[in-house]
Amino acid sequence: RKEVEQDPGPFNVPEGATVAFNCTYSNSASQSFFWYRQDCRKEPKLLMSVYSSGNEDGRFTAQLNRASQYISLLIRDSKLSDSATYLCVVDTYNFNKFYFGSGTKLNVKP
Amino acid sequence: GAVVSQHPSRVICKSGTSVKIECRSLDFQATTMFWYRQFPKQSLMLMATSNEGSKATYEQGVEKDKFLINHASLTLSTLTVTSAHPEDSSFYICSARDVLTSGHPKSSYNEQFFGPGTRLTVL
Repeated sequence: RKEVEQDPGPFNVPEGATVAFNCTYSNSASQSFFWYRQDCRKEPKLLMSVYSSGNEDGRFTAQLNRASQYISLLIRDSKLSDSATYLCVVDTYNFNKFYFGSGTKLNVKP
Repeated sequence: GAVVSQHPSRVICKSGTSVKIECRSLDFQATTMFWYRQFPKQSLMLMATSNEGSKATYEQGVEKDKFLINHASLTLSTLTVTSAHPEDSSFYICSARDVLTSGHPKSSYNEQFFGPGTRLTVL
């Protein structure tokens, strides 16, 4: 079983749409959670950390459900520039290494 | 945010040669750096954890004699792909954690800062 699982997509949405991604993780002792964004042939860049209470940054909202071991990312009012692959990342309990999901590809179309 | 550089950004080499990739933290110190590999349409796979002043920790299935890692200072780690073959062609990415915040229980403090990656093509 993979440490982190994501729907690979692609999600094809029109501009202005709201889109949600989910991610599940297998290790209940995981402590830190992140969403990274990766553009084609580039390195991943941190989009947002995910806190237990949930957190919002502009059009982006992240949620963590420890009981069900899943993380979500909601993007409102999608922009063309949001087109990218979104990586769910889970840190091990001793903060030692990241496990990456396979990524969910988002295509925002005009 | 913190800046991590990698050099070279792209390298093409002949089969059997060795290639060295450098990863530097430019404005912070990193006791731990990580080396990842990403094949097309796949996610990042951790190859090894590079610890300053000690031996690297390799993930299962990664040959330590083929992928030599040296972390000689708090700002530099190198990955050497020895006797490269076409199947080693991939996107190699390093990351680093700031020594001042590593291990902090608050999620955001455990952020890894990624270098821009090195695209290796072995002919």
